[in-house]
This record gives sequence, C-alpha cells and structure tokens, in this order.
Amino acid sequence: KAGVTQTPRYLIKTRGQQVTLSCSPISGHRSVSWYQQTPGQGLQFLFEYFSETQRNKGNFPGRFSGRQFSNSRSEMNVSTLELGDSALYLCASRGDRGRNTEAFFGQGTRLTVV
Amino acid sequence: AQSVTQLDSQVPVFEEAPVELRCNYSSSVSVYLFWYVQYPNQGLQLLLKYLSGSTLVKGINGFEAEFNKSQTSFHLRKPSVHISDTAEYFCAVSLSGGSNYKLTFGKGTLLTVNP
Repeated sequence: KAGVTQTPRYLIKTRGQQVTLSCSPISGHRSVSWYQQTPGQGLQFLFEYFSETQRNKGNFPGRFSGRQFSNSRSEMNVSTLELGDSALYLCASRGDRGRNTEAFFGQGTRLTVV
Repeated sequence: AQSVTQLDSQVPVFEEAPVELRCNYSSSVSVYLFWYVQYPNQGLQLLLKYLSGSTLVKGINGFEAEFNKSQTSFHLRKPSVHISDTAEYFCAVSLSGGSNYKLTFGKGTLLTVNP
C-alpha cells in the first residue's frame, strides 16, 4: 500500500509569490491534515479536510488556504509569501475508523522563501 | 486548549545505554497521547499511542511509554539504544472526544546516540 505522497519535496520561492503544495493520501483515507514545522514554532496544525470539506482550522492567517478533491487528494496554497513562511509542510492522512486511528505522515515539502 | 511540554530539547546518550524522554501535557478534557519519531529530512512515524487501558504502552523499535494521569506525564523509554535511534522525538496529544482530530505537539527532543 503506497504511503502519503507530497509533491514537490523542495521549493524555493520569492517573497510575495504564491505557492501550491500537493498531498496524495493513502488509498481509502478521506481525512487529510496539514502541519507547518519550523525551528522556532515547532509543529503547528494548519487545517484538516474530510470528504472535500474543511473540518478544522488552526490559527493561521487567511493567506493559508487549502482544498480537497473528490479523490481525497489535497492542495495547500500560500499567497503573498513571507520569509517566515519558510518551513517544512507536512501532510497526514487518516482512515475513517474513528479518532483512535493512526495519522500517517508524508515526507513533507520543504519551502524556502527568499 | 491542550499543551505539551517536552522537558529536554536535547538528550545525548551512549550506545546501549537506557534513555528516557520526558513529556508532560496539560488538558482540561480527556486526551489520547502519542509519540512520533522524525529522522532527518523525513516525515513523522508513529512509535506508540495511549488511548485507554493499560498505562504501559509498547511500541515499535523497542520503545515503551507509561501514562501517568496524576502527573499528566507520558515519558518514553528504551532500555538500550542504538546508533540508529538518533532522531527527533515528538510527544503529541489529541482530544479523545468531539470532532477535532488535530494533534498538538511538543517542541521535540533530539536524541543523539554516540558510539
């Protein structure tokens, strides 16, 4: 069974640009969550999608948005990039069998804003 | 709101020595507890989880953790570490009820195993 796939693995963008990151969950998983990892703030929850609907959202500005498609693939978009958006962005997928099911993480997308 | 405190940011140990990584949490409601490991340039891998039942939880790679409700702790232990255990370890909590499945993580503990 293939794991969670995130593309691209590495990105370099210029301040002010926008970026789109992609996450393909494990087959059959309908829940996809996104996390930002930085040395200063650690791992922080961005949002979770389930069956194309945003189910929960963390405390990030509106520049951070996401969506989920009917095949459960998810994209995360960051507009008007700032230097502080440089981070590892992790995606996790989860099965449907309740909250005690494991969240499986992808390898992440390393975004560098210059 | 929940919070997680990992008491040591770095833990250096020698190979074959025992190790304990400490984690304390704060929550006004019941939570589930997790330990994840992250190797360089990788995502997170679940080591073990506590949902209910026995307070001693065994995970992969010889790790175990003990849930202590009175001390709100969930410390991770391994009796004998290997070089390959060098990685960053994260303690996390999630609510055990409701519709919010998010994980709240600690800042991480970098375990360095030296020969």
